[in-house]
Amino acid sequence: AQKVTQAQTEISVVEKEDVTLDCVYETRDTTYYLFWYKQPPSGELVFLIRRNSFDEQNEISGRYSWNFQKSTSSFNFTITASQVVDSAVYFCALIDIQGAQKLVFGQGTRLTINP
Amino acid sequence: DTEVTQTPKHLVMGMTNKKSLKCEQHMGHRAMYWYKQKAKKPPELMFVYSYEKLSINESVPSRFSPECPNSSLLNLHLHALQPEDSALYLCASSRSGQPGSGANVLTFGAGSRLTVL
Repeated sequence: AQKVTQAQTEISVVEKEDVTLDCVYETRDTTYYLFWYKQPPSGELVFLIRRNSFDEQNEISGRYSWNFQKSTSSFNFTITASQVVDSAVYFCALIDIQGAQKLVFGQGTRLTINP
Repeated sequence: DTEVTQTPKHLVMGMTNKKSLKCEQHMGHRAMYWYKQKAKKPPELMFVYSYEKLSINESVPSRFSPECPNSSLLNLHLHALQPEDSALYLCASSRSGQPGSGANVLTFGAGSRLTVL
């Protein structure tokens, strides 16, 4: 069965600090996709990134970067020079192709950026 | 602005009421989803419609009744709900009609916050 673990329930940092959100996943499938979604106080989940299991390249998008390591089953998310607008709940999620074929979310990490 | 529109944003209903939540998307997406999210929890899948047909029902109680009148609209009819059904109900859509495809990126609406008294 698939499982996504976000061990950090809440993180609070001061603006401009770098912060890393951890995500560890479990799946028996060799083909799967990993996602990060952001949920601001307004409620909607905003898609941030998708990574497939065959692509271990790290990705950088502005202040956001993602580190995918199959060897440790981790897909961590780093925000550089955090801003107050980054405050939100962040969800890591997994979908496999051959298993349940539905998006499995981690429990989420509530990130608070203080001015 | 989100491309998935949900109405109403807030709904308060009694346990004997009948109400509906509505969701609309005009992106040409072929799969639409209902999720339920309790406070401080991740979203939980309820239903999936693929090509306007119900393809997944996650053993949701019959007091929740989904309907997909056309490819752009998704409704969730509510009847005889319980206080524990109070939650944020999120609608989502995806381009592919195959929900299990990892290529699917879900686009979510802002949700309808339901309170059952």
